Formats: sequence, C-alpha cells, structure tokens
Amino acid sequence: EVQLVESGGGLVQPGGSLRLSCAASGFTFSSYAMSWVRQAPGKGLEWVSAISGSGGSTYYADSVKGRFTISRDNSKNTLYLQMNSLRAEDTAVYYCAKDRREGVVAAPTGSDYWGQGTLVTVSS
Amino acid sequence: DIQMTQSPSSLSASVGDRVTITCRASQGISNYLAWYQQKPGKVPKLLIYGASTLQSGVPSRFSGSGSGTDFTLTISSLQPEDVATYYCQKYNSAPLTFGGGTKVEIK
Repeated sequence: EVQLVESGGGLVQPGGSLRLSCAASGFTFSSYAMSWVRQAPGKGLEWVSAISGSGGSTYYADSVKGRFTISRDNSKNTLYLQMNSLRAEDTAVYYCAKDRREGVVAAPTGSDYWGQGTLVTVSS
Repeated sequence: DIQMTQSPSSLSASVGDRVTITCRASQGISNYLAWYQQKPGKVPKLLIYGASTLQSGVPSRFSGSGSGTDFTLTISSLQPEDVATYYCQKYNSAPLTFGGGTKVEIK
C-alpha cells in the first residue's frame, strides 16, 4: 500500500524558514517523480515543485522559485521541501504527491497518490 | 506561462443529470491534461490523465475529452457521492498549473 506522510509544518514568522519532509513507502521511491502541491485555506490547488526520480531534474512554480528548494534522499525514501523567506501568502496545507508514471528521469505527469498534508502558517 | 481556466466555477445539478466541466489552456498542451476530484475535507484524487484515460478504479460515468486548448470532463449521470470540487492540471511542461476548480453540488 502506498503511503505518504508529511511532517515539518507549523507556525513561522514572515521571513523565516521551514523544512517539510515526506516519508514514502509501498512503492519503489526512486522510480517516481514526486511533487509538492499546496492549498491555501478555502482556496484551490497550487502546484509548487517537482523532482525526478533520480533527483537530477527539479521544477518550480514562479511563486516559489529562488525561495524554495526541493530535494530527495532515495536511500531514506524521503522527499523534502526547504522553504526560505516565507511570506504570508505561503500559508497553506502542503501535500506531497507521487507521480503516476514510473521513470527515473521522467518529468512529472500528474499525481496518483497524495499524503494527508501538513499545515504551514506564516504569521507574526 | 500557460494559464488554465475552468468553467463554470460552480454548478448545481440533479441526481442523474449529465454534467460537463470545461478547462481551457491559454496555449496548446496537446493531451497533457489531468483531472482531479477533491471531496470536502479530503485529498485530491486522480480521475483522468492524458485528457481521456480513466485512472484505475474510477467509475465509468466519468469521461474526459479534448486536445490542444479545450478540454471537457463529463459525468454522465451525477451521483450524490460526486459532490466535490474538480480541478484540471496541465503537465506538458513545468509549471504544472491547476485550473481554478469547479464546485459541483446536488440540486
């Protein structure tokens, strides 16, 4: 059974940093691209970032480029999102999501499994 | 960047009705489009990818069509369990932008 468990969310002041983690199990982690998607309270889905299975390719939304860094440790089956220079508009539930298509170097193609999310609140 | 526009933003229909949701890309994306369903308080669920391929386990009353810039998600016979917000997402290239969502309710 595929499981994705996010952690690391919390309350942080504007300008601060947080690192989110996503522990994956139930599939060959290194064979799939992974994504972070966020959802502000009462709002729609916003794609944030993705990384190929090998970790060699990364992708970012313009809204987070230069502030957020996605990475993965395939030996630990864990996905990360380092978030710096946080702003109030980054407040959201952050979901970790597995790509539907297998491929170590494949670009992201849509997500078939999602974690339950972790809430990030940026406020003074 | 390519923008994804969904319409309508919400709709109300009766059980058994045929429901159609539209997603328009600001530039052509071939068939690199996915549809998701998000029920209240739940995580998103992949319904369709490749614009028209049904994800395993998804009821056959859901279907997708389109290519290029115009896409459609159709629920052939609306059921009470279909109450949800539906999102399209492009994946031809990054950013993998979502549409704004369409909230479906029962009349």
